[in-house]
Amino acid sequence: AQTVTQSQPEMSVQEAETVTLSCTYDTSESDYYLFWYKQPPSRQMILVIRQEAYKQQNATENRFSVNFQKAAKSFSLKISDSQLGDAAMYFCAYRSASWNTGKLIFGQGTTLQVKP
Amino acid sequence: DTAVSQTPKYLVTQMGNDKSIKCEQNLGHDTMYWYKQDSKKFLKIMFSYNNKELIINETVPNRFSPKSPDKAHLNLHINSLELGDSAVYFCASSQRSLTGGENTGELFFGEGSRLTVL
Repeated sequence: AQTVTQSQPEMSVQEAETVTLSCTYDTSESDYYLFWYKQPPSRQMILVIRQEAYKQQNATENRFSVNFQKAAKSFSLKISDSQLGDAAMYFCAYRSASWNTGKLIFGQGTTLQVKP
Repeated sequence: DTAVSQTPKYLVTQMGNDKSIKCEQNLGHDTMYWYKQDSKKFLKIMFSYNNKELIINETVPNRFSPKSPDKAHLNLHINSLELGDSAVYFCASSQRSLTGGENTGELFFGEGSRLTVL
């Protein structure tokens, strides 16, 4: 069974600085998706960034980028120029590309605090 | 227009009662899910339906019964509520891959329904 591990329960960053959130996963599949979701206090789950496993290039979305290391099964999220609005809980998630088992498996989450 | 909407957003009830949470999506997706987020914020899948057919049924007590009248709706009924059922329940939807189609793989979530059992 696939698992997702986020080893940092809490992180903090100074406004305008850069922070990296870690995520590792375990799978025997070769084709899958990886995601970072953000959950602010409003509790809405918001997609931050996605990565297809077959793509070697790391995904980037404005200030958010990932470091995808397929062999190491690592998928970290880098937030540049952190803003107060980035404060939230961040979840790393894995999804098989096989649609019969296409459930999203989440890590435990990392709470990010942004200090002004 | 809200893409995935759940009602009610908040639900407070007594132990032993029966309650339902409704979910509707207007994204045209064919697959819908129920997730439970516990007090430690851990998210775990409960059920998934594809075109009204149950495709994922995790280890969930029989007191939980999902129903999908059509592919745009997935409701969750809970019988004989227990204290441990207190949680936030998220509905989500996605589009199953179609031949030749582009699929982003992501799930779109509703705002969650906070259930408190007293």
